Amino acid sequence: EIVLTQSPATLSLSPGERATLSCRASQSVTNDLAWYQQKPGQPPRLLIYDASNRATGVPARFSGSGSGTDFTLTISSLEPEDFAVYYCQQCRNWPFFTFGPGTKVDVK
Amino acid sequence: EVQLVQSGAEVKKPGESLKISCQGSGYTSINYWIAWVRQVPGKGPEWMGIIYPGDSDARYSPSFQGQVIISADKSISTAYLQWSRLQASDTAIYYCARQDLDLGRGDPKTAGKHHFDHWGQGTLVTVSS
Repeated sequence: EIVLTQSPATLSLSPGERATLSCRASQSVTNDLAWYQQKPGQPPRLLIYDASNRATGVPARFSGSGSGTDFTLTISSLEPEDFAVYYCQQCRNWPFFTFGPGTKVDVK
Repeated sequence: EVQLVQSGAEVKKPGESLKISCQGSGYTSINYWIAWVRQVPGKGPEWMGIIYPGDSDARYSPSFQGQVIISADKSISTAYLQWSRLQASDTAIYYCARQDLDLGRGDPKTAGKHHFDHWGQGTLVTVSS
């Protein structure tokens, strides 16, 4: 099983600041990595797929990069609605999907 | 508009059975794999299994194989997740999620992309004596 680890567990920032979230895979997933945002009481929302492609309707301040085992989600300038938990997910060997434990972005 | 609408919250006792549902609308439901995902509050999501409603082909995570059954009724665009004997450790929120599809790749059953583009609202299952 491919294990995903995310860091940091919590990121405390102010609106307008840049957020950089990391996801590391236990073995290469090539570019088969997605990022989701989850707010309390809501399901996850797809932000990024195939490591760097924004999903429909996702603002341009969200960007993804990386390949192999190391990936990054960047939020260029935090808006109030961006404070949430972010999960990465891989499926290098379909149908075995795995998710990371999440990074919480909260208000400093 | 694509929607996945799940059945309501359930409170059950250990040992009881349960079947929850997820009805899709706004798209050709037989062509898209539907996954079930468990999330314990405060934890990351866990993929449980996935089904292709067109022929009810179901695949399971090794962690959940034998613990749950995933089924579908394509005539009503609905996927199901069921337990025969619940345990307290099954207490969680359960989401259904649609696997995205590469519409340009021919057979939809093998044209899935490896992420979930739409999610149900979640079903809270509480198992307590």
